[in-house]
Amino acid sequence: AQKVTQTQTSISVMEKTTVTMDCVYETQDSSYFLFWYKQTASGEIVFLIRQDSYKKENATVGHYSLNFQKPKSSIGLIITATQIEDSAVYFCAMREGNQGGRALIFGTGTTVSVSP
Amino acid sequence: DTTVKQNPRYKLARVGKPVNLICSQTMNHDTMYWYQKKPNQAPKLLLFYYDKILNREADTFEKFQSSRPNNSFCSLYIGSAGLEYSAMYLCASSRDEDSAETLYFGSGTRLTVL
Repeated sequence: AQKVTQTQTSISVMEKTTVTMDCVYETQDSSYFLFWYKQTASGEIVFLIRQDSYKKENATVGHYSLNFQKPKSSIGLIITATQIEDSAVYFCAMREGNQGGRALIFGTGTTVSVSP
Repeated sequence: DTTVKQNPRYKLARVGKPVNLICSQTMNHDTMYWYQKKPNQAPKLLLFYYDKILNREADTFEKFQSSRPNNSFCSLYIGSAGLEYSAMYLCASSRDEDSAETLYFGSGTRLTVL
């Protein structure tokens, strides 16, 4: 069975610093996709970045990057040069890829608070 | 336009009464999903439509119904609301059901059952 675990409930950082969030996952599939989504104060959930299991390079989009450690089943999210508007709940998610129609499984989320 | 729209934003329902939530998207996406989100919990997939085919999760099979009369529209129906149904309901869509596809979420409908 697939499972996604985010152990950090909340993180507080100062503006312009770097924040790192942890996520570990469980799957029996050899092919899978890992995602990070952000839920803003308005409740909207927005896609941030994706890592394909077969790719060794860490994905990077803007000031978001991933630390993919496949042997540890770990996919950390790194936000550099944080801004006030980065304050949000961040969800890690996984979807197994061997066949279509698989559910996107979420972690419980990490709340990030960025202070000026 | 990459928005998924949900109506209403807030809904109040009585125990034992039916509830119907509405979602629409104009991206011509093949797949539409319904998730349930409770405080401090992960969003939980309830069901999804791939084209006209409905797939429901095993543990929510009997609690939720859905319809998709056309590509753009999808509803979530609760026949008899219980207190445990109070939650945020999130609709999402993706281009197809491939696992690599990004999901686009609506702003959600917050359901309160009294």
